Amino acid sequence: GAVVSQHPSWVICKSGTSVKIECRSLDFQATTMFWYRQFPKQSLMLMATSNEGSKATYEQGVEKDKFLINHASLTLSTLTVTSAHPEDSSFYICSANLAAKPHEQYFGPGTRLTVT
Amino acid sequence: TQLLEQSPQFLSIQEGENLTVYCNSSSVFSSLQWYRQEPGEGPVLLVTVVTGGEVKKLKRLTFQFGDARKDSSLHITAAQPGDTGLYLCAGARRAGGGADGLTFGKGTHLIIQP
Repeated sequence: GAVVSQHPSWVICKSGTSVKIECRSLDFQATTMFWYRQFPKQSLMLMATSNEGSKATYEQGVEKDKFLINHASLTLSTLTVTSAHPEDSSFYICSANLAAKPHEQYFGPGTRLTVT
Repeated sequence: TQLLEQSPQFLSIQEGENLTVYCNSSSVFSSLQWYRQEPGEGPVLLVTVVTGGEVKKLKRLTFQFGDARKDSSLHITAAQPGDTGLYLCAGARRAGGGADGLTFGKGTHLIIQP
């Protein structure tokens, strides 16, 4: 149980274009999902909290108009990187937790974004 | 901003040796998790500690949460090459059972040489 998937696993896009990344909880429902970013040789940094049916909560320094989050159902959250630039190239990882175990987060396999 | 200082950042030891990784903070966390991450993959949860002073064992891995819930340690006994990887500690801020985003330490790159 507690399997989280992401799609795509990697994507290359041109500067100025937008890219959508999907995060799905496969065998459970998640009212809350989280989006993290990890640059090479660095640790994970929380970007935002995705709440089903309501607006996402962004961490300080993360532009909400650039990183659009939509949590339309209890099993799907999407992150859209708008007008991507090379500095947005990173490893984007989502996570979700079981309602019965709010302290335990299960992570997706990540999406490698490269902006050329 | 809550920070987690993880040490050492890099550790290379011989198979069979013991090691300890530390995770320290000046802030109190409601819970603390340890993850292992392979290159190009998402972190995999190893353990969650919630109660101050709690000790959990997972085969040759022993995890401890400090009494004040500000620090934690991971001890590996008789390390094996299969233990090689990136180990991350992460703390949750919110108490009361609500889901919360995690603050991660910088990680410990562990290499076990055969």
